[in-house]
Amino acid sequence: AQKITQTQPGMFVQEKEAVTLDCTYDTSDQSYGLFWYKQPSSGEMIFLIYQGSYDEQNATEGRYSLNFQKARKSANLVISASQLGDSAMYFCAISSYGNNRLAFGKGNQVVVIP
Amino acid sequence: AAGVIQSPRHLIKEKRETATLKCYPIPRHDTVYWYQQGPGQDPQFLISFYEKMQSDKGSIPDRFSAQQFSDYHSELNMSSLELGDSALYFCASSLKGNNQPQHFGDGTRLSIL
Repeated sequence: AQKITQTQPGMFVQEKEAVTLDCTYDTSDQSYGLFWYKQPSSGEMIFLIYQGSYDEQNATEGRYSLNFQKARKSANLVISASQLGDSAMYFCAISSYGNNRLAFGKGNQVVVIP
Repeated sequence: AAGVIQSPRHLIKEKRETATLKCYPIPRHDTVYWYQQGPGQDPQFLISFYEKMQSDKGSIPDRFSAQQFSDYHSELNMSSLELGDSALYFCASSLKGNNQPQHFGDGTRLSIL
């Protein structure tokens, strides 16, 4: 079974600073995908970034980058130059090979302060 | 760009009633997933469909059923509703293939009175 662990307490981040959100995972699959989603207080679930288990380069998408350390089974999200609109819950998720169902962590709450 | 469309956005029902949630995937996406997110919880996978066939089944109660139609839209049917069914229900869609990113709709917030 897939498992995602996100244990950081809620975080306050100063506007324009970078923030790193921790995510560790456990899986028996050789091939898997790691995803980060953003959920603002309005409730929608927004896809941010994806890292494949065989990708050698860390994924980047605008201000988002994923620090993938396969041996340590970690997939931390880095948000650079935080903006007020980044205040949200951030979920790390892993997909299963073959059926693609996502298993989510409990989320990291981020509040960006001016 | 077109996104996943879910309807209704909000739904209020009473115990023992039925509800139907609808999902229209992103054009050309042939795989649809349903997730349930309870208050303060992470989303839990319910069921998925690929090319109108059920492809995977998670923690979906027997009181719930779902299907995908020929136009790829999907419906989640819920019967004998219970207070514990109050949650945010997401539909997501993706292209075929392993580890394809799933794009979520805005969700249907179901409240059971």
